[in-house]
Amino acid sequence: GENVEQHPSTLSVQEGDSAVIKCTYSDSASNYFPWYKQELGKRPQLIIDIRSNVGEKKDQRIAVTLNKTAKHFSLHITETQPEDSAVYFCAASLRTGNQFYFGTGTSLTVIP
Amino acid sequence: SAVISQKPSRDICQRGTSLTIQCQVDSQVTMMFWYRQQPGQSLTLIATANQGSEATYESGFVIDKFPISRPNLTFSTLTVSNMSPEDSSIYLCSVEDTQGYTFGSGTRLTVV
Repeated sequence: GENVEQHPSTLSVQEGDSAVIKCTYSDSASNYFPWYKQELGKRPQLIIDIRSNVGEKKDQRIAVTLNKTAKHFSLHITETQPEDSAVYFCAASLRTGNQFYFGTGTSLTVIP
Repeated sequence: SAVISQKPSRDICQRGTSLTIQCQVDSQVTMMFWYRQQPGQSLTLIATANQGSEATYESGFVIDKFPISRPNLTFSTLTVSNMSPEDSSIYLCSVEDTQGYTFGSGTRLTVV
């Protein structure tokens, strides 16, 4: 099955700085890559996703890039704010409607 | 996005007993997914539940331990059978909707 690796496991940044989280996947057939944010004690919430037919997608302060050749994708958060502090998970799936596999998570702390 | 009602939100159970977790979705969905999230860990897929057929289990998970029902397109249950302290975890259901994948609020299970 798919194997998703995520780095770093913890990340601390100063408010206003950028944060970058990286994931690699093993199955070249994977074509859907969502990112989830999970605040303490809450359910994961989808924040952005990308499909294999595009290389980059942006939504305000959040962007995701995908390199299918290298099988890696990254989450970029600019102008970080304290409310961005949470655990972020990447995931990979063969197609929508199919199960997907999560990375190990990155605990992001934004220091005011 | 889909709205998922998951029950119970938490429970404390005696070892050797079983607990059934329910997820009700406000729209019809083809697939429902069940995940386990151990404290401080990532989400691990347990199984995929399709209406009208047996669930598909991931490696390391078996039907005898985690029987799943999917009687219709809006409802599913996961039972954690013959529980041991190692089963203490958060269990979440998930569905695909127009916004991607949405999770239930989770069931925090503690086995004593």
